[in-house]
Amino acid sequence: DAEITQSPRHKITETGRQVTLACHQTWNHNNMFWYRQDLGHGLRLIHYSYGVQDTNKGEVSDGYSVSRSNTEDLPLTLESAASSQTSVYFCASSESRPGTQYFGPGTRLTVL
Amino acid sequence: QKEVEQDPGPLSVPEGAIVSLNCTYSNSAFQYFMWYRQYSRKGPELLMYTYSSGNKEDGRFTAQVDKSSKYISLFIRDSQPSDSATYLCAMSALGGGSNYKLTFGKGTLLTVNP
Repeated sequence: DAEITQSPRHKITETGRQVTLACHQTWNHNNMFWYRQDLGHGLRLIHYSYGVQDTNKGEVSDGYSVSRSNTEDLPLTLESAASSQTSVYFCASSESRPGTQYFGPGTRLTVL
Repeated sequence: QKEVEQDPGPLSVPEGAIVSLNCTYSNSAFQYFMWYRQYSRKGPELLMYTYSSGNKEDGRFTAQVDKSSKYISLFIRDSQPSDSATYLCAMSALGGGSNYKLTFGKGTLLTVNP
């Protein structure tokens, strides 16, 4: 069955370190998204991509970057982790725009 | 004013009750309206998808959109303990400046007590 996976599921890191969160989908969807979810803020869009080599900033993109070299993967990089980036991160993909977004299981990131 | 407002609850109801969940929005360009359900420590999953105004029914779930009032609702009939989750509304405009992005409400935490 097609699916979307995220790794790692849990990560603890230190302030200032570079961290990369992986997202992999097997639906062959062109559209992929990264969100963070925090109490009191709900889901907020970090970056998104509508195809290979296409990337766009969301509402909370500062301190994050993405690159899209193939259809299946959209890794999210925190260039220099900050405590404010402690959150749960969700990756999603969709076939159409705007379409049903299928979410991964999430990565719980703690920055100490 | 936030683009999408959703009462975070928490909302606690007895099993069998009718549940009403609501969102208001300010962007008149929104045309696509969705409801997602999120169980604790899981990713959101789509429940209902509606285009423009009107009602849509799927089993015990009914989604309503009133564009004139900028108000959407999700009704759950005969609620079950398995419906206990956070419910998120989401909306999108038709391309343009929004670039088809989804804007989410903050979610309403629902507990259905046996």
